[in-house]
Amino acid sequence: NAGVTQTPKFRVLKTGQSMTLLCAQDMNHEYMYWYRQDPGMGLRLIHYSVGEGTTAKGEVPDGYNVSRLKKQNFLLGLESAAPSQTSVYFCASSYITTGLSSYEQYFGPGTRLTVT
Amino acid sequence: AQKVTQAQTEISVVEKEDVTLDCVYETRDTTYYLFWYKQPPSGELVFLIRRNSFDEQNEISGRYSWNFQKSTSSFNFTITASQVVDSAVYFCALSDPNTGGFKTIFGAGTRLFVKA
Repeated sequence: NAGVTQTPKFRVLKTGQSMTLLCAQDMNHEYMYWYRQDPGMGLRLIHYSVGEGTTAKGEVPDGYNVSRLKKQNFLLGLESAAPSQTSVYFCASSYITTGLSSYEQYFGPGTRLTVT
Repeated sequence: AQKVTQAQTEISVVEKEDVTLDCVYETRDTTYYLFWYKQPPSGELVFLIRRNSFDEQNEISGRYSWNFQKSTSSFNFTITASQVVDSAVYFCALSDPNTGGFKTIFGAGTRLFVKA
């Protein structure tokens, strides 16, 4: 099992350019997430998905869009990149529980994005 | 609102010392999950432990132990006889069941340096 994979691992964009980050998981998890990690701020949730075809906004969704056309994939798009979006982006997935709370999340290796 | 505070930004110890990483959380919910994740220099977050709000038993796993105290809203993590390989950023996190359980709030992280 590859677990959670992310493509690409590094990317440099110029302000105004667009790009898509791809996340794939082979654990048949229902839930998928996109986070950004900035120094001193931990991880902040951008968008998440509770199943194929459904997405929802997280804590910091502005400037990003997502799609979940297939259960195993979760795409994060930057429509018009800004320097404030320079960050490390992590994808994660988790499985559904019988209770209300989700269990632990499994993370990808991250994508380091620099916007100049 | 839910919040996770890791007051220690960085800790430096010498190998074989014991070290405790503090985590204080805030939530109005009676049902919630707490987590610890490790982020080694390679960058990928690794799940360490999950604890639900109804289980205050301390847990030990090898050199790792966790102390959960609801009375002080703390979920502290102790590494006994630290090793260089323990050098990493450690995140404490809280899962919020009011949002369906899939929104996990992370602390800012504590960077641990273990010197040989």
